[in-house]
Amino acid sequence: GEQVEQRPPHLSVREGDSAVITCTYTDPNSYYFFWYKQEPGASLQLLMKVFSSTEINEGQGFTVLLNKKDKRLSLNLTAAHPGDSAAYFCAVSEWDNAGAKLTFGGGTRLTVRP
Amino acid sequence: GPKVLQIPSHQIIDMGQMVTLNCDPVSNHLYFYWYKQILGQQMEFLVNFYNGKVMEKSKLFKDQFSVERPDGSYFTLKIQPTALEDSAVYFCASSRERGSSQNTLYFGAGTRLSVL
Repeated sequence: GEQVEQRPPHLSVREGDSAVITCTYTDPNSYYFFWYKQEPGASLQLLMKVFSSTEINEGQGFTVLLNKKDKRLSLNLTAAHPGDSAAYFCAVSEWDNAGAKLTFGGGTRLTVRP
Repeated sequence: GPKVLQIPSHQIIDMGQMVTLNCDPVSNHLYFYWYKQILGQQMEFLVNFYNGKVMEKSKLFKDQFSVERPDGSYFTLKIQPTALEDSAVYFCASSRERGSSQNTLYFGAGTRLSVL
């Protein structure tokens, strides 16, 4: 079955610096890709849903890159601020599941220092 | 945005007892899910549920587990009897659709289950 590896498990950056979190997956049939943010005690908040056909996806203050050849998904927070401090999870699903059954990465705990 | 509520946030029980975890999904959603996250490990799919039936379950969904949503109330995960290895955070999710590009899962904040 699908396996998703997320790196790094912990990341600490200064305010204004960029932060990059990367996931690699194994199933070539993976079609939908997700990034979730979880603040302490809160729900997982969907940051972005990416389709297999789109390699560069711009969000508010972040970019998601999908490299299908290398089976790699990355989240790049540009100019991180303390409000970005949270746990981030990538998730992957196949086309016929359309996100109904997600395989998650292990998570990255991001700390942004003032 | 849409919110999924999980009650309680933390539950402590003795091994062998029954436990029911409650989830209040988004009001117009039709598909419901449970995921399990053991401390320090990845969140893993347990089960999805639609129209009163389990649609798909993983090998983690043991015979001691059951799910239901009686009369459109809470979507529940029941474990009977509990075992030490059931200690984990259980996340509920719901979605309006399945199998379409518009499908998005909304998650609750999780219930931490501690089996002693």
